[in-house]
Amino acid sequence: NAGVTQTPKFQVLKTGQSMTLQCAQDMNHEYMSWYRQDPGMGLRLIHYSVGAGITDQGEVPNGYNVSRSTTEDFPLRLLSAAPSQTSVYFCASSYSTSYEQYFGPGTRLTVT
Amino acid sequence: LAKTTQPISMDSYEGQEVNITCSHNNIATNDYITWYQQFPSQGPRFIIQGYKTKVTNEVASLFIPADRKSSTLSLPRVSLSDTAVYYCLVFSGGYNKLIFGAGTRLAVHP
Repeated sequence: NAGVTQTPKFQVLKTGQSMTLQCAQDMNHEYMSWYRQDPGMGLRLIHYSVGAGITDQGEVPNGYNVSRSTTEDFPLRLLSAAPSQTSVYFCASSYSTSYEQYFGPGTRLTVT
Repeated sequence: LAKTTQPISMDSYEGQEVNITCSHNNIATNDYITWYQQFPSQGPRFIIQGYKTKVTNEVASLFIPADRKSSTLSLPRVSLSDTAVYYCLVFSGGYNKLIFGAGTRLAVHP
């Protein structure tokens, strides 16, 4: 199993550009989520999904869109990048509402 | 949501036992206590979870008193590779309730 994979590892955007962060898991997990982590801080939940076709907002959803067309993939779209979105983004997955989430290696995003 | 409070940082030396205490005064009946570990430039990794009393696995032990208002993560005989941030979370199901605080930065010295 590859577990949770994320691409790209690093990305630099200019303000106003859009892009999609990719996340995939091969563990057949129902639940997937996106977090952002700012320097020296904990993780904050952006969006999550309880299964294909079902998504919901977390703590900090503004400026981000998600969709879940398959069990395996959960892309995160930045509609119009802003410097405040400079952060490290982690994708995670788990079975149902299990306490044990599996995290990807992260995408380090810089918006100039 | 039950909020957790833990020390911002701790220092230890190789071979010592490290105990990190987390306070969760308004924990609910259905809440479980979960700990994650995060190394620099990596995503968090699940360590241990418990509901009450003591839980032990190959990595750590978790002590939860009867009132469940606090918990202690115990790392036996730490090594340099245990240098990481440790997060205490209270989780009651409902996927959007897995909230990470700032965690405890543990530095293990030679």
